[in-house]
Amino acid sequence: AQKVTQAQTEISVVEKEDVTLDCVYETRDTTYYLFWYKQPPSGELVFLIRRNSFDEQNEISGRYSWNFQKSTSSFNFTITASQVVDSAVYFCALSEVANQAGTALIFGKGTTLSVSS
Amino acid sequence: EPEVTQTPSHQVTQMGQEVILRCVPISNHLYFYWYRQILGQKVEFLVSFYNNEISEKSEIFDDQFSVERPDGSNFTLKIRSTKLEDSAMYFCASSDRTGFGGELFFGEGSRLTVL
Repeated sequence: AQKVTQAQTEISVVEKEDVTLDCVYETRDTTYYLFWYKQPPSGELVFLIRRNSFDEQNEISGRYSWNFQKSTSSFNFTITASQVVDSAVYFCALSEVANQAGTALIFGKGTTLSVSS
Repeated sequence: EPEVTQTPSHQVTQMGQEVILRCVPISNHLYFYWYRQILGQKVEFLVSFYNNEISEKSEIFDDQFSVERPDGSNFTLKIRSTKLEDSAMYFCASSDRTGFGGELFFGEGSRLTVL
């Protein structure tokens, strides 16, 4: 079974629209971390946010916001007033406590966001 | 701003050849990782490395793969005898956190094409 599910394979929006990228995770651990990474067309992976399992406070950073709900095992990402530069593949990832000596991230399959002008 | 650098950016090789991918992690980081991404697919964990030894590896990381930190700055991934299915983007990452949950800083990736 997938541990990180990003059900939306592709999303297309027009500039200035708001868009939400869904992420559902599965873990038996009570302590874990969730991440979002952005992969623009150039290919690199850009860190966006890290959230630990004890911090359910939603976070806003500019046009980006994240909604963490443990009750539904979801960590959704919203881009407000999308821009063409937001076009990228977005990955949600999970880190479990099983390995204390480092962080093995489990990535979802990614959601490709296309923003047109 | 410190960054993880990877070389080469793209390598083309023949099946059966050995390949070494190189990474220079951020200088004060202690944890090092290799991930791979087959074209159009998700990013998959290969191996983590701490204190000069492998701390965790995935099923993908079989005997054909090895990692090494030959000096104080480089972190390498060797594939002994490449197969067609090894064609992928390989990402190096490093982290400074002790224990899990650390933010991973990724390099820009090395694209490996096996013919």
